[in-house]
Amino acid sequence: KAGVTQTPRYLIKTRGQQVTLSCSPISGHRSVSWYQQTPGQGLQFLFEYFSETQRNKGNFPGRFSGRQFSNSRSEMNVSTLELGDSALYLCASRMTQRENEQFFGPGTRLTVL
Amino acid sequence: KNQVEQSPQSLIILEGKNCTLQCNYTVSPFSNLRWYKQDTGRGPVSLTIMTFSENTKSNGRYTATLDADTKQSSLHITASQLSDSASYICVVSAMVGYGNKLVFGAGTILRVKS
Repeated sequence: KAGVTQTPRYLIKTRGQQVTLSCSPISGHRSVSWYQQTPGQGLQFLFEYFSETQRNKGNFPGRFSGRQFSNSRSEMNVSTLELGDSALYLCASRMTQRENEQFFGPGTRLTVL
Repeated sequence: KNQVEQSPQSLIILEGKNCTLQCNYTVSPFSNLRWYKQDTGRGPVSLTIMTFSENTKSNGRYTATLDADTKQSSLHITASQLSDSASYICVVSAMVGYGNKLVFGAGTILRVKS
């Protein structure tokens, strides 16, 4: 069974631009969560989607948004990029929100210049 | 407030030595605790999971302990190898209305030197 895949793996943008990251969960997994990871900050929870609905949200500004499609694939969008948005963005999937283990993708490394 | 604190923040040890990483939590109601290993630039991978009734669980050279009374866990690495260099993240699950809420620690960065 294929693992969680994320595209692209690396991305360079400039301030003010917007970016869309994609995540394909493990087949059969319906819950997808997004995290931002910066050095020294650990994993910061962005949001979780289940059955195309956002179920939980972390403390991030409205510039960060997401969506989930009927096939459980998810996208995350960041508008009006700031230098501080440079980070590793991780996607994780689990079968349902009742499962306690999440399986992580390799991440997308976003650099904002 | 649900929190997970890990110590130390970073650690450098010589290859072949043992080390212990700590995780203290205030998450409630407790469901389980999981240790992840994250190699640089990669996603975290689960090492062990422990439920309320488990005190010790091993996975090769990794041994996790849990004291549910004091709300502390440790991850002990025996005979360290260069490949153990990574970030180790403690994650505690809390049973909430919709399912399991995951609370992440900031991680301990381990560097093993030859």
